[in-house]
Amino acid sequence: AVQMTQSPASLSASVGDRITITCRASQDVREEVAWYQQIPGQAPKLLIYEAYRLQSGVPSRFSGSGSGTDFTLTINSLQPEDFATYFCLQDFDFPSLSFGGGTKVEI
Amino acid sequence: QVHLVQSGAEVKRPGTSVKVSCKISGTTLTAFYMHWVRQAPGQGLQWMGMIIPEGGGTSYALGFQGRIAMTVDTSRDTLYMELRNLTLSDTAVYYCVRRFSSSRLYPWGQGTLVTVSS
Repeated sequence: AVQMTQSPASLSASVGDRITITCRASQDVREEVAWYQQIPGQAPKLLIYEAYRLQSGVPSRFSGSGSGTDFTLTINSLQPEDFATYFCLQDFDFPSLSFGGGTKVEI
Repeated sequence: QVHLVQSGAEVKRPGTSVKVSCKISGTTLTAFYMHWVRQAPGQGLQWMGMIIPEGGGTSYALGFQGRIAMTVDTSRDTLYMELRNLTLSDTAVYYCVRRFSSSRLYPWGQGTLVTVSS
């Protein structure tokens, strides 16, 4: 099974900051990676799919990059509503999914 | 707009079973693969399995094989996930999610909290 190693587990930032979260896959997953935002008590929300494609309705300050084994989620100009937990997902090993451990972004 | 609406919270005793439902609206259930994922309190996400609504084919994660069953009622546009022989470690929020395309999984159901307690 493909393992997704996400870092950091948590980070502190301020409004207006640029932050970067990374995921490393245990094997080549091409570009079959997505990024999600989860607010406590809510279902995950899709931000990025196919490593870099922005989901409809998601602000352009969110961006993704990477292919193969290394992937990055970047949030430019952090907004108050962005303080949440983020996680990556791989869908290359279909039908099996695997997830990163999550990154909690705190003020 | 597509919505997935899940059944309500459940409290179960160890050794019993739980059946969670997930109803889709705004699209046809048979057009997409559907996954079930769970999240234990304060933990990450864990894939449980996938069902192909058209035909009912399933694929389950190794850790659940033998005590999980995913089914579909296309006439009701509703999925079901039954987990048997529950233990305390099965306490989690259970989600259904549509696989729109490769790596594009959305929307998610609102989640169903299953609490296993003696």
